[in-house]
Amino acid sequence: EVQLVESGGGLVQPGGSLRLSCAASGFTFSNYAMSWVRQALGKGLEWVSAVTVSGGGTYYADSVKGRFTISRDNSKNTLYLQMTSLRADDTAVYFCAKGGMVRGVKPFDPWGQGTLVTVSS
Amino acid sequence: EIVLTQSPATLSLSPGERATLSCRASQSVSSYLAWYQQKPGQAPRLLIYDASNRATGIPARFSGSGSETDFTLTISSLEPEDFAIYYCQQRSNWPQTFGGGTKVEIK
Repeated sequence: EVQLVESGGGLVQPGGSLRLSCAASGFTFSNYAMSWVRQALGKGLEWVSAVTVSGGGTYYADSVKGRFTISRDNSKNTLYLQMTSLRADDTAVYFCAKGGMVRGVKPFDPWGQGTLVTVSS
Repeated sequence: EIVLTQSPATLSLSPGERATLSCRASQSVSSYLAWYQQKPGQAPRLLIYDASNRATGIPARFSGSGSETDFTLTISSLEPEDFAIYYCQQRSNWPQTFGGGTKVEIK
């Protein structure tokens, strides 16, 4: 069974940093692109970032470009999202998802349960 | 950026009824359109990808159609567990974008 388990969320002050992790199991992690998608409380879904199988290609939403960095460690089956210069509007549940390349094999499937990031003083 | 507009925002129906949800793209996305279901407190679940392909384990009462800019998700006969929010998503161009969602609620 494919499992994605996010961790690393929490309360952080504006301007602060946080690193999210997503531990993958049940599939060959190194064969799949991976993505982060977020959802502010009570709001819709917003794609954040994606990374290719090797980690050599990364893609970002304009809202996070220059502040967030996606990476992966295929030896540890883990996806990361390093978030810096955090703002109040980054407050959201952050989901990791398998897949998500434009015109790739499949869209986001499945998703982890999410980790809540709250940016507040 | 491709904007996806979902309608209606809310659909009030009874179990057993047919649900028809619409997603319109601001420019062509070919067939790179997916549908997700989200229940309160849960992660989204992929229902349909590439406009009309059911994801693994998705019941046959869910079907998708359309291409280019106009897409439809149909639930042929609503089951109690189908009352949820549904999102469309395009993966034709960066950035990938989602529609604002349609809430299917019990009438």
